[in-house]
Amino acid sequence: DAGVTQSPTHLIKTRGQHVTLRCSPISGHKSVSWYQQVLGQGPQFIFQYYEKEERGRGNFPDRFSARQFPNYSSELNVNALLLGDSALYLCASSGSGVAQPQHFGDGTRLSIL
Amino acid sequence: AQSVAQPEDQVNVAEGNPLTVKCTYSVSGNPYLFWYVQYPNRGLQFLLKYITGDNLVKGSYGFEAEFNKSQTSFHLKKPSALVSDSALYFCAVKREYGNKLVFGAGTILRVKS
Repeated sequence: DAGVTQSPTHLIKTRGQHVTLRCSPISGHKSVSWYQQVLGQGPQFIFQYYEKEERGRGNFPDRFSARQFPNYSSELNVNALLLGDSALYLCASSGSGVAQPQHFGDGTRLSIL
Repeated sequence: AQSVAQPEDQVNVAEGNPLTVKCTYSVSGNPYLFWYVQYPNRGLQFLLKYITGDNLVKGSYGFEAEFNKSQTSFHLKKPSALVSDSALYFCAVKREYGNKLVFGAGTILRVKS
């Protein structure tokens, strides 16, 4: 079975632009979470969606938004990009049940110039 | 608030020797604990989890971890290290019924032949 897939793999933007990152979860997984991983640090939680509803939000500004579609895929949107938004953005999906582990995609490397 | 500490930035071990990567956590209520591994330019790969039950949990690729409630620790272990185990390892904690994973800063494991 396919794992979590993310697109694009790499992206270069300039300050002030906006970006949309996409994620397809593992088949059957209804929960999708987004994380930001800055170089040299652990991933930081941005959002969790379950059944198209936001179930959790991390400490990120309103420039960050996300949504989940009926097929459980998800988009992460970031507006008014800043240099500090340069990071690896990771999507994770998990099955039903609070004890289920999250399975990660390979991420989108976002570079802001 | 949840937090994870990985006190060692890097662990060096000779191939064939046992390895330990340390993790301590802080969370209110019962913890759900996870270990992930990250190879260069890849996402995080799930290794094992502790939810409840036996304090020693076994995971993928011969890894195991020991949960110690009194010391709030969840150290990752392997009896015999392989060069291919060289990677970045992350410990993560989630509150029971919580919706976000909180990660440590990561520990680089280097296994030398």
